[in-house]
Amino acid sequence: GAGVSQSPSNKVTEKGKDVELRCDPISGHTALYWYRQSLGQGLEFLIYFQGNSAPDKSGLPSDRFSAERTGGSVSTLTIQRTQQEDSAVYLCASSLQGMNTEAFFGQGTRLTVV
Amino acid sequence: AQSVTQLDSQVPVFEEAPVELRCNYSSSVSVYLFWYVQYPNQGLQLLLKYLSGSTLVKGINGFEAEFNKSQTSFHLRKPSVHISDTAEYFCAVSEASGSRLTFGEGTQLTVNP
Repeated sequence: GAGVSQSPSNKVTEKGKDVELRCDPISGHTALYWYRQSLGQGLEFLIYFQGNSAPDKSGLPSDRFSAERTGGSVSTLTIQRTQQEDSAVYLCASSLQGMNTEAFFGQGTRLTVV
Repeated sequence: AQSVTQLDSQVPVFEEAPVELRCNYSSSVSVYLFWYVQYPNQGLQLLLKYLSGSTLVKGINGFEAEFNKSQTSFHLRKPSVHISDTAEYFCAVSEASGSRLTFGEGTQLTVNP
């Protein structure tokens, strides 16, 4: 596709359930990022994948959060045993090489935990 | 660790007035600096970036920013704003050898007629 694609666009889940959020980066982009945007707040870094290097997971808020990137392309962010404080917009971005190249953002997945 | 401070959470201005959105960063190493814009109900898009070289950077839609190393600032400016510039603006920094892009909390620019 022409841009970064995220699915679903909206997700409502019950507290305690697991959710999976998907990101399809721009073809050929080696770097992929996940961020979280809560209401009235900035973007919180979650995790960064760059090529075949070990991902930078230092932003994941708890061990309930994990992410994978298969085949250097599609990424899945998994949140286990969701809590109400996990409600936010989860943004995925990709870039051609890394930090010195423009990051292209998807439209995000709005997660609501009820 | 790097950090970004956007000094104003909301900036209301009248159409055709000049505007400056302030951004200060903290880092102990060389940095790259970015401004992103998020229009209502849309994703983020890059306005401009500073990697090296000239400290005055020009971006899309008539915006520009100046990197000031001594003041650790990267303020965004536009000489004459339009209603369509109403959006959330995010300043971001990455360390040249780092792996994360750190964002400020955003500045809501509202342009009134």
